[in-house]
Amino acid sequence: AQKVTQAQTEISVVEKEDVTLDCVYETRDTTYYLFWYKQPPSGELVFLIRRNSFDEQNEISGRYSWNFQKSTSSFNFTITASQVVDSAVYFCALSLGGGGYQKVTFGTGTKLQVIP
Amino acid sequence: GAVVSQHPSRVICKSGTSVKIECRSLDFQATTMFWYRQFPKQSLMLMATSNEGSKATYEQGVEKDKFLINHASLTLSTLTVTSAHPEDSSFYICSARARSGYGYTFGSGTRLTVV
Repeated sequence: AQKVTQAQTEISVVEKEDVTLDCVYETRDTTYYLFWYKQPPSGELVFLIRRNSFDEQNEISGRYSWNFQKSTSSFNFTITASQVVDSAVYFCALSLGGGGYQKVTFGTGTKLQVIP
Repeated sequence: GAVVSQHPSRVICKSGTSVKIECRSLDFQATTMFWYRQFPKQSLMLMATSNEGSKATYEQGVEKDKFLINHASLTLSTLTVTSAHPEDSSFYICSARARSGYGYTFGSGTRLTVV
């Protein structure tokens, strides 16, 4: 069975600081997908990124960057120059690859508060 | 991009009544739909998985008779909370996946309050 651990329950940073959200996953499968989602106070889930297990290249999208390291089973998410609008709960998630339908397993989430 | 529409966004119902939540894929065929439940300040817990035209597969501990899931077409899945009680108050969110891809598109969620 797969598992996603987000050890940081809550993080507070001052605006413009950089912040890294940690994610560690467990799976015995070699083909899997990793995700990050943002959940603002309104509740909807906003997709941020999907990465498959065969692509370890780090990715940068604006102020967001992701560091995928299979050796440590980690998929960390960094926000550079944080803004108040980044305040939300962030979920890391994992699904297995292959055919058929595969459920998504979510971590417990990290609540990020960016203080002006 | 793929869009999933979920309605209603908020609903308040009296204890003992039933509530139906709809999840529609607007621009793709959702062969598989997932229903999640989220308690305040907690993660999303999968309740059930349904494939179009077949019975839903429920996760352990989820009451099939209480949470009725129907996935009658490739664009619509419904979750009916039957005989709702205050402990059913929660945030329910659906997710759809197309046959051709591995992406998961989430609806905007439904906040159910049972009074």
